[in-house]
Amino acid sequence: GDSVTQTEGQVALSEEDFLTIHCNYSASGYPALFWYVQYPGEGPQFLFRASRDKEKGSSRGFEATYNKEATSFHLQKASVQESDSAVYYCALRGSALGRLHFGAGTQLIVIP
Amino acid sequence: EAAVTQSPRNKVTVTGGNVTLSCRQTNSHNYMYWYRQDTGHGLRLIHYSYGAGNLQIGDVPDGYKATRTTQEDFFLLLELASPSQTSLYFCASSERDWGTYEQYFGPGTRLTVL
Repeated sequence: GDSVTQTEGQVALSEEDFLTIHCNYSASGYPALFWYVQYPGEGPQFLFRASRDKEKGSSRGFEATYNKEATSFHLQKASVQESDSAVYYCALRGSALGRLHFGAGTQLIVIP
Repeated sequence: EAAVTQSPRNKVTVTGGNVTLSCRQTNSHNYMYWYRQDTGHGLRLIHYSYGAGNLQIGDVPDGYKATRTTQEDFFLLLELASPSQTSLYFCASSERDWGTYEQYFGPGTRLTVL
C-alpha cells in the first residue's frame, strides 16, 4: 500500500546550519508529495507540494525536489533559524480519493 | 484563511466512558478528517468524509465512530473509551480532491482516558 518513511525522528542543529530531513515513499505512479509543518501547540499546516518528477516545491526558505527514481522528497533549508523548530511531516496523496498518507514526523530542534 | 475549530480542547474521562469530540469548519469544504497524533506514529487517519451523511474508514478506525451531520460539522465518538485512546486528536478539512489537496487543521483536542 501507499506509505511514507521519514528516517530521522529528531534532528538537532545550530542556527545557520544546513538542514536535510529525509523522506522516501512507496506508491504506484506519480503521487503528489507534500511537506507539512507543526509548530508547538498548533495543528499541522501545509508547507508546499510537488506532483511530477524533478518538480521542486518551496516555501519559507524550505525546498524539496520530487525524485521518482529514488522515490524521495527530501526537505532542505540552507540556513535554519531557531524559529524553524517544529515537527515536519512528509505526506503523499494516495490512490484513495481525498486522503493523505503521513510519515511519522521529524522533530527539528534548532539551538541558538 | 480556512478556519477549523475543535471542542473541547481538553477532555479527561474514565475507562468505559462516552466521549464526543466536535469539529466545525466554516469554509464550505467538502472533505473532513479525524486524525490521532501519538509520539512515534505521527498522524494516523481514523475516519474521513466527503460530505454530509458520508463516512469513510481510515487506517485506525477500531473503537471510533464518526458522523458528518452537515457540511460544516464532523463528530468523533468514543462509546467505550479505553486508555489506549489517550491521544491528541486533530480535525482537518480540505476543499476538494484535486489541486493543492491542502488540508487545514484545527488546534487539536487532548484526550486523556484514565
